[in-house]
This record gives sequence, C-alpha cells and structure tokens, in this order.
Amino acid sequence: EDKVVQSPLSLVVHEGDTVTLNCSYEVTNFRSLLWYKQEKKAPTFLFMLTSSGIEKKSGRLSSILDKKELFSILNITATQTGDSAVYLCAVVSYGGATNKLIFGTGTLLAVQP
Amino acid sequence: NAGVMQNPRHLVRRRGQEARLRCSPMKGHSHVYWYRQLPEEGLKFMVYLQKENIIDESGMPKERFSAEFPKEGPSILRIQQVVRGDSAAYFCASSRDKANYGYTFGSGTRLTVV
Repeated sequence: EDKVVQSPLSLVVHEGDTVTLNCSYEVTNFRSLLWYKQEKKAPTFLFMLTSSGIEKKSGRLSSILDKKELFSILNITATQTGDSAVYLCAVVSYGGATNKLIFGTGTLLAVQP
Repeated sequence: NAGVMQNPRHLVRRRGQEARLRCSPMKGHSHVYWYRQLPEEGLKFMVYLQKENIIDESGMPKERFSAEFPKEGPSILRIQQVVRGDSAAYFCASSRDKANYGYTFGSGTRLTVV
C-alpha cells in the first residue's frame, strides 16, 4: 500500500531557529513530491521536486529530494511566528489515466516569539 | 483570476440528510480532484474528474458518495444519508491538464454532521 510518512508529528521552536522537516515515502508509480503549507484552510503550494539532489529554494525555505533513499526534507531557516502551520508532504502517483496526490499526515510547526 | 472556489464554507447536516458540496475550478482548468481531511489526519484522495467523466474514484467510499463534473457548472460532491463519521473538511483542487501536479486547492468545505 502506498504511504507517505512525515516526521516529526509536531515541533515547537523559537523565532530564529532553523528546522528540518522529514518526509519518506513508498509509492508505486512515483512521479513527483510536493510540499504544502496549511494554515487552518487551503493547503498552499510550496515546492515540487522531481529530480534527486536538486535543491529548490524560496526565501528562507528550501527542499531537496533523494529518490534513491525515498525521502525529502524541507528546511526553514530563521523561523518566524508566521511560519507556524502544518506542513504537508505529498507524492504524485501517476499511472495510466489517473494522477493523484498521496499525503502524509503533516508536521505541525509552532514558532514561539 | 479567481482561484478554486468552494461553497459552502461550512455546512451542518443532521444524520440522514444529504450534503452537496460545490467546487468551481480555476478558469481554464478542466481537471478536478476531491480530497477529504479527517480530524488529525492528512488529506485523502477521493476522486479525480474531467469534464463529464470520472477518471479515478478509487478513494470514494462505495456507498452514499458520488461526484460529478458536468459540462456546464461546478463539480459536485454529494453525500447521501450522512453519518457522524462524514464530518471532515472536503477540499477541491483543479489543474489545467493532467501533468500539472502543483495544483491549487480551494478553501474547503467543513462538513459537520450532528
């Protein structure tokens, strides 16, 4: 059965800290891995990773994929209280006519002032 | 350019009633996906539709749940005879084509069954 596992489940840090969120997966017909940020409403897209070893960056956030070891990490440097959210990892399962995302349960990040 | 629009934002139904959730995709998008998020759980895929076609409904419960995406109008997720376990947030996403994986989610409909 396809699965995506995120760790830790929750994390509390102070402003300015650097955090690393983990995502491992076992998914047939893997195509890409995506990271989303969810703040009590719609998940908002952060990154899509398709190739191993190529880091994607957006401001203080960065992410990388290891397709050999089947995992990805999301780094957030110099955290701010506005980074508090649930971070979701999802893997695209692509096969035949279908195309769907398989989500992990998320990591709840709380950044304290 | 409006994003993915879902309505209602909140829906309360008594056990046994029907719930209808609507999703209008982004302009120019003809692929729609429905996901359900139960409390303390991640999003679970339910169904993938293109205009007038159900492509993949492998995540839909076998009974009481149905989905459509007509030629005109929004996509509808319909839950008949709701039970307390149906209480969840239901999210819709859309994409222009099948290969566009970074799709945009709507704000969701939070269904509460009392």
